[in-house]
Amino acid sequence: EVQLLESGGGLVQPGGSLRLSCAASGFTFSSYVMSWVRQAPGKGLEWVSAISGSGGSTFYADSVKGRFTISRDNSTNTLYLQMNSLRAEDTALYYCAKCQRGFDAFDIWGQGTMVPVSS
Amino acid sequence: QSALTQPASVSGSPRQSITISCTGTSSDIGGYDLVSWYQQHPGKAPKLMIYEDNQRPSGVSNRFSGSKSGNTASLTISGLQAEDEAHYYCCSYAGRSTFVFGGGTKLTVL
Repeated sequence: EVQLLESGGGLVQPGGSLRLSCAASGFTFSSYVMSWVRQAPGKGLEWVSAISGSGGSTFYADSVKGRFTISRDNSTNTLYLQMNSLRAEDTALYYCAKCQRGFDAFDIWGQGTMVPVSS
Repeated sequence: QSALTQPASVSGSPRQSITISCTGTSSDIGGYDLVSWYQQHPGKAPKLMIYEDNQRPSGVSNRFSGSKSGNTASLTISGLQAEDEAHYYCCSYAGRSTFVFGGGTKLTVL
């Protein structure tokens, strides 16, 4: 079964850091672009970041550029999101998502991990 | 990276058809054949319903269809059913390996 399982969320103070993980199973992880998408409470979806299958290319939304770093370990089928200098507006449920083909659409989603940023 | 524009809400009666619009620019919707649509029920992860403007993943009902004209994409749901009540989000590739989502539309089945 194709599955994505996020972990690492939790309460963090403004200015703090957190690393999210996403464990993938059921597909050839290294063959696919992977992304993080977030959803603030009661709000819509926002694309955050993407990484190529090899991990050699990374891409970010302007709202997180310079603060967040996406990475992957294809030997353990794990996707990461290192979040630094967190702000209240980063409070959201963070989803890990698999791209179906290149950069076309997100066909598999995890259940999300919540990151509240508050003092 | 401005969000795509969707109506906040739409409604329809069972067995009717509804259409949700999604307006962008020539830099996203109008520039690529890479619009996707997602259904999200409360407390659940989004589910892919349409990809590449008008393609339906296996397992998605043929009551769901996608189309595009210029900078505006549309999702049509025919033969509305109670289980279709959910939020719907459009998404487009926006160049340079980035994506942009719409603000979401709440569908109410009356």
